[in-house]
Amino acid sequence: AQSVTQPDIHITVSEGASLELRCNYSYGATPYLFWYVQSPGQGLQLLLKYFSGDTLVQGIKGFEAEFKRSQSSFNLRKPSVHWSDAAEYFCAVGALSGKLTFGTGTRLTIIP
Amino acid sequence: DTAVSQTPKYLVTQMGNDKSIKCEQNLGHDTMYWYKQDSKKFLKIMFSYNNKELIINETVPNRFSPKSPDKAHLNLHINSLELGDSAVYFCASSQPPSGGAYEQYFGPGTRLTVT
Repeated sequence: AQSVTQPDIHITVSEGASLELRCNYSYGATPYLFWYVQSPGQGLQLLLKYFSGDTLVQGIKGFEAEFKRSQSSFNLRKPSVHWSDAAEYFCAVGALSGKLTFGTGTRLTIIP
Repeated sequence: DTAVSQTPKYLVTQMGNDKSIKCEQNLGHDTMYWYKQDSKKFLKIMFSYNNKELIINETVPNRFSPKSPDKAHLNLHINSLELGDSAVYFCASSQPPSGGAYEQYFGPGTRLTVT
């Protein structure tokens, strides 16, 4: 069965600082991996995805993520956060059936 | 243009009532989904339909019944509402590429409160 672990429930960073959100997955085959962001009261917006190929993927809003098969990880990074990045971030693994399994989310707080 | 829309945005009702949530997508996608997000923000898939055919049916009480009149619409009907049904329900859609995975596009959510 597929599963996703996001070890950090809540992270606080200063505006302008770098960010890394951790994600570990469990899946029996080649994983299809996603990061979504949810702003308060909003739906989920896709930040980036990994299907195959280059293990460093670029997304919207200046985010990137690196797939590391040996560590079963797909961590999200941003070199310099902005106050507007405050939100809930979800990592997900997708099966060929279309089923997305989400992690429990990481809430990001930005301090001035 | 809204890609995936849901109505209503908020729904407050009493225990025992029956309610429906509607979802429409104008992306031309073949597959649609319903997810439930609980009070701890945990997201879990409930159902998926591909071109009006039920594909995924997770362990969901029989009181929940999805209906897809056409591939652009997927409605969720809930009978005999219970307090534990209070949550945010998200609709999503995707267009699976050949042999690939599915990036899903989500609606804005419907916050259901059962009193």
